[in-house]
Amino acid sequence: KAGVTQTPRYLIKTRGQQVTLSCSPISGHRSVSWYQQTPGQGLQFLFEYFSETQRNKGNFPGRFSGRQFSNSRSEMNVSTLELGDSALYLCASSSRIYDTEAFFGQGTRLTVV
Amino acid sequence: AQKVTQAQTEISVVEKEDVTLDCVYETRDTTYYLFWYKQPPSGELVFLIRRNSFDEQNEISGRYSWNFQKSTSSFNFTITASQVVDSAVYFCALSESGGGADGLTFGKGTHLIIQP
Repeated sequence: KAGVTQTPRYLIKTRGQQVTLSCSPISGHRSVSWYQQTPGQGLQFLFEYFSETQRNKGNFPGRFSGRQFSNSRSEMNVSTLELGDSALYLCASSSRIYDTEAFFGQGTRLTVV
Repeated sequence: AQKVTQAQTEISVVEKEDVTLDCVYETRDTTYYLFWYKQPPSGELVFLIRRNSFDEQNEISGRYSWNFQKSTSSFNFTITASQVVDSAVYFCALSESGGGADGLTFGKGTHLIIQP
């Protein structure tokens, strides 16, 4: 079956703009989590959605937001982009809340100039 | 607060050598979950194992084995007879929620280089 699909794979934006990233989970999976990966801070948890509800949120400013649709696809939005938002954004899906294993996508590489 | 420390930033070994990746964690919870993930150059994180805090049994899966010791708050990962394909960045992670990839606290990762 198809894996987790993240689009686009690469993105270049200018400071001050906003951006929307998309994540399509594995078919049948209802939980989607988002992570930011940077060389300095490493992998940091952004938020997790299950059945269209945000259940958990990491320590990021309000400029970072997300949502999940009824088909479990998820989007994350970053407004008023800063240079420090340049990162690899990864999403992961799992079928249930307490699933053992999660599957990650290949990520979206965002560069803010 | 949770914390995961992977003190080894980079390890380089010759193929067929055994290698151990260290992971030390901190948490105040009595119920928690520990994970190992592999990140190849393509970028996606590949799940390797999940352990809960009540199960201290060591695990072996092929050439991979994990040693969980609550007394030292460590969850180390050993690759036996390493192969070039094992080259990647390996992350240890901790979660108190236990579900999927929800709320994982990752270590900084260990870059493993297997030389032919």
